[in-house]
Amino acid sequence: EAGVTQFPSHSVIEKGQTVTLRCDPISGHDNLYWYRRVMGKEIKFLLHFVKESKQDESGMPNNRFLAERTGGTYSTLKVQPAELEDSGVYFCASSQAYNTQGGGLTEAFFGQGTRLTVV
Amino acid sequence: RKEVEQDPGPFNVPEGATVAFNCTYSNSASQSFFWYRQDCRKEPKLLMSVYSSGNEDGRFTAQLNRASQYISLLIRDSKLSDSATYLCVVNPLLYNQGGKLIFGQGTELSVKP
Repeated sequence: EAGVTQFPSHSVIEKGQTVTLRCDPISGHDNLYWYRRVMGKEIKFLLHFVKESKQDESGMPNNRFLAERTGGTYSTLKVQPAELEDSGVYFCASSQAYNTQGGGLTEAFFGQGTRLTVV
Repeated sequence: RKEVEQDPGPFNVPEGATVAFNCTYSNSASQSFFWYRQDCRKEPKLLMSVYSSGNEDGRFTAQLNRASQYISLLIRDSKLSDSATYLCVVNPLLYNQGGKLIFGQGTELSVKP
């Protein structure tokens, strides 16, 4: 079974340009998350989709970031215009729907990340 | 104050050593707790969940103290392949509910021959 895939693996753009990151979750996973790690800091939550709906976008840093998940399958994260402080590794993760039977673990599986460098 | 704080690393240990990682979290309402492992330039991967009763998986033992808001991970008989960054992670929701993860900064472990 394919894991979470992210594209591109690396991106180098100039300040002011636009970049779009893509995430393909594990098939059948309703939950999709975006996280970011900037240099020297911890991995931080950006937002959470349940299917195509934004469940929690409390971690989005500002309105230069736009995430979409049309049709509830893959997701894109667009940064426009990019700033130097946006450099970092952007991770996507997916997990199955909430386990309504009460037990078990809804494990989040991470993609390998997109390393974004803004120069 | 960070929401999840870990021992600053790196830890450099010889093969066969026992090593312990400590972590504290600030939100007493946190519901679920995990240790993730991240190899260099790779994605984080779940190592184990952490339960109040304590749990063990082979050479790895995790403990949770909700009263002290403290989580630990013990690795016995460390192997070269254990070299990685260990991430302490908490979640406001229960283990079966998904939800956002809150990460510590990670503690790097290097196991030497």
